[in-house]
Amino acid sequence: AQKVTQAQTEISVVEKEDVTLDCVYETRDTTYYLFWYKQPPSGELVFLIRRNSFDEQNEISGRYSWNFQKSTSSFNFTITASQVVDSAVYFCALSEASGNTGKLIFGQGTTLQVKP
Amino acid sequence: NAGVMQNPRHLVRRRGQEARLRCSPMKGHSHVYWYRQLPEEGLKFMVYLQKENIIDESGMPKERFSAEFPKEGPSILRIQQVVRGDSAAYFCASSRTGGVGTEAFFGQGTRLTVV
Repeated sequence: AQKVTQAQTEISVVEKEDVTLDCVYETRDTTYYLFWYKQPPSGELVFLIRRNSFDEQNEISGRYSWNFQKSTSSFNFTITASQVVDSAVYFCALSEASGNTGKLIFGQGTTLQVKP
Repeated sequence: NAGVMQNPRHLVRRRGQEARLRCSPMKGHSHVYWYRQLPEEGLKFMVYLQKENIIDESGMPKERFSAEFPKEGPSILRIQQVVRGDSAAYFCASSRTGGVGTEAFFGQGTRLTVV
């Protein structure tokens, strides 16, 4: 079973539109962390955010915001007023306490295309 | 303060050859993770190492793949007798500590093409 599900394979928006990328996770651990990474066309992985399971406060960083809801096991990512430079593949990832290795379980990724 | 360095960035191997991928962690980091990204897929965990020790290799294919992180020098991911299905991007990440929620920093990846 997929532990991290990003149901949207591809999203295409026009510049300045808002867009939300969905992430649903599955874990039996009470302690875990959730991450979002951006992979631009150049291929590297850029860290965006880390959130632990005990902190359900939403977070805003510039045009980026994250909505963490334990009740629905979701950690959605919204980009406000999207720009062409936001075009990338975005990955949601889970780090579980069991095993305590820090390894990440990634979703399949959502490809976001922002058109001018 | 250099980031995680992976080399080579691109590697082409013929079927049956060996591939060696190198990862130099950030300064002060003694934990290394390797991930594989197959085309059009997310990253999959392969192995987690600390200096001179393999901690978790649950994601490593049973044959042909091995990893090491010696006391001195970079971590090496070695693939023997490569096949076309090994073509992928291989990412290394390093961290100062291990454990749940560790913030690991990723390298730019090595793109392996098997012809």
